[in-house]
Amino acid sequence: QVTLRESGPALVKPTQTLTLTCTFSGFSLSTSGMCVSWIRQPPGKALEWLALIDWDDHKYYTTSLKTRLTISKDTSKNQVVLRMTNMDPADTASYYCTRIRAQGMVTFGGVIVPGLLGVDVWGQGTTVTVSS
Amino acid sequence: DIQMTQSPSTLSASVGDRVTITCRASQTIGNWLAWYQQKPGKVPNLLIYKASSLESGVPSRFSGSGFGTEFTLTISSLQPDDFATYYCQQLQGTFGQGTKVEIK
Repeated sequence: QVTLRESGPALVKPTQTLTLTCTFSGFSLSTSGMCVSWIRQPPGKALEWLALIDWDDHKYYTTSLKTRLTISKDTSKNQVVLRMTNMDPADTASYYCTRIRAQGMVTFGGVIVPGLLGVDVWGQGTTVTVSS
Repeated sequence: DIQMTQSPSTLSASVGDRVTITCRASQTIGNWLAWYQQKPGKVPNLLIYKASSLESGVPSRFSGSGFGTEFTLTISSLQPDDFATYYCQQLQGTFGQGTKVEIK
């Protein structure tokens, strides 16, 4: 059974750095086709994809937040860590750690990216509030 | 980033209706598109991947089609359990803004 669990602070102050840890089980992030992604959802709003790390340690970020995000993995611990700097009240949201399957790598607009098949397992999510 | 635009934003329908939701990509993405259903207070559930492949366990009344920049999710006969918000997602990760299916 595949599970993912997010951990991190529930409250951060503006300008602080948020560090979220995803601890997963039931699969290996070194297995071809396995990816872990972070997705967030502000209250009452749409899903927003943030970052992804694949089985080969390639990292991908949403363009609008790229300068603030860092994703990393510790395969031996089955953990993925997301860091987001310079937090703002607009970053208040539920943050989800997810597993995404990929069907190899595809060339897309001159860039090689994982062929994502979709999020098949979600963590329960962690709510982060940004407030002074 | 590739932008994904869903239409309509809200859809009112009755049980038994055939429902179609559209997702348009700002540039071609082949068939690298997924569809999700999200109910209030729950995490999304994967319905369709690679534009038209039904995820295991998803009822066959859900179907997807499209290639390139225009995609559709169809529910052939809307059931009470289907009133929810639906999202598309392209291969680089970006989601559409969602389509809420409400009871008419």
